[in-house]
Amino acid sequence: DQQVKQNSPSLSVQEGRISILNCDYTNSMFDYFLWYKKYPAEGPTFLISISSIKDKNEDGRFTVFLNKSAKHLSLHIVPSQPGDSAVYFCAANFGNEKLTFGTGTRLTIIP
Amino acid sequence: NAGVMQNPRHLVRRRGQEARLRCSPVKGHSHVYWYRQLPEEGLKFMVYLQKENIIDESGMPKERFSAEFPKEGPSILRIQQVVRGDSAAYFCASSPPPGYNEQFFGPGTRLTVL
Repeated sequence: DQQVKQNSPSLSVQEGRISILNCDYTNSMFDYFLWYKKYPAEGPTFLISISSIKDKNEDGRFTVFLNKSAKHLSLHIVPSQPGDSAVYFCAANFGNEKLTFGTGTRLTIIP
Repeated sequence: NAGVMQNPRHLVRRRGQEARLRCSPVKGHSHVYWYRQLPEEGLKFMVYLQKENIIDESGMPKERFSAEFPKEGPSILRIQQVVRGDSAAYFCASSPPPGYNEQFFGPGTRLTVL
């Protein structure tokens, strides 16, 4: 039962353009959503998060949008840079408890 | 400030041996979580601990796996009688006391079972 889904296993974007990574969830109990970035042989690094009471959160080049009615969130990276090439995981939880992760999207930024 | 520390980074065991994975959380963090990532998959929750207490072990296999977070010292994930299917990356995360949703991850331990 995959409660958090990232349907695009990979995405290639030209340097300087916008990268949009998508995530869908099925469990309406989730009240907090997070994005992590992961390089090979390293642990996930926290990027940005959003509470279910908001629909947008912005931090520098990263913006997360939440559409609760559609149970959908997205991560926008603009402008995309070569160092952004990594695997991005969407995660969700409720009540400060365990995170449920998606399967990840591999982002490749083309110079 | 040191982040989450995990050791060893790489661990090779033969089938039937025991594996012990250690995790030291961020200083001041009282919540520890263990996750496992199998090849080409996302991270799967295993267990959530506070000092001397297991809060949620719903993701732990029923047999051979155990975890602890003692009053003093690191959290330990123990796998007895390892099998090839246990080969994976095991990540530990920590978070501050309740009210903080973000979890901060260590570099992981890559377990290979021969």
